[in-house]
Amino acid sequence: DSGVTQTPKHLITATGQRVTLRCSPRSGDLSVYWYQQSLDQGLQFLIQYYNGEERAKGNILERFSAQQFPDLHSELNLSSLELGDSALYFCASSVVPGNYNEQFFGPGTRLTVL
Amino acid sequence: AQRVTQPEKLLSVFKGAPVELKCNYSYSGSPELFWYVQYSRQRLQLLLRHISRESIKGFTADLNKGETSFHLKKPFAQEEDSAMYYCALHSGAGSYQLTFGKGTKLSVIP
Repeated sequence: DSGVTQTPKHLITATGQRVTLRCSPRSGDLSVYWYQQSLDQGLQFLIQYYNGEERAKGNILERFSAQQFPDLHSELNLSSLELGDSALYFCASSVVPGNYNEQFFGPGTRLTVL
Repeated sequence: AQRVTQPEKLLSVFKGAPVELKCNYSYSGSPELFWYVQYSRQRLQLLLRHISRESIKGFTADLNKGETSFHLKKPFAQEEDSAMYYCALHSGAGSYQLTFGKGTKLSVIP
């Protein structure tokens, strides 16, 4: 699959735990974006990386962190999880930052915090 | 701060009826506006953006700077248009952040 892939598809964990969500961008894309989609807040931009460097930060909590590795895949780390962190987490990629005309989304990871 | 408002959580229309999904924004500069669509069990995808002034799947959207609106319209709704629609704003000027509205679920009744 040459599109954006995300693993795992579903994740169920308990409050206080830590999880890592993984995203592989589309082949050739250097920029990765993370979004959170919840019933309360809708779709929110979290953070963006370009070629390994952080480029923009949105409404990302201090308990959350992310990085982009040399092979361009990205991981979103969520720690000290709370019930309110339950959401669908999307990753998207584009060749260059801010190229929303050519931004493609992954299928998402559904996180459930019990 | 920039903000996008989609006043309707749910919009139900009959097949063949006109559709208008409302989007209002607040931003002091010249924004770039987008509409995204998410069909059931599918990925979020870009539907159209105001710069291109195109019609996609029969949908159009005009940026009205005076009313700070970017409403999405289609003259005749089809059942396959049923989906979640998000309006988004990009402020440009070196910002890589997209600000989304909370979305409107469009349900087209056969």
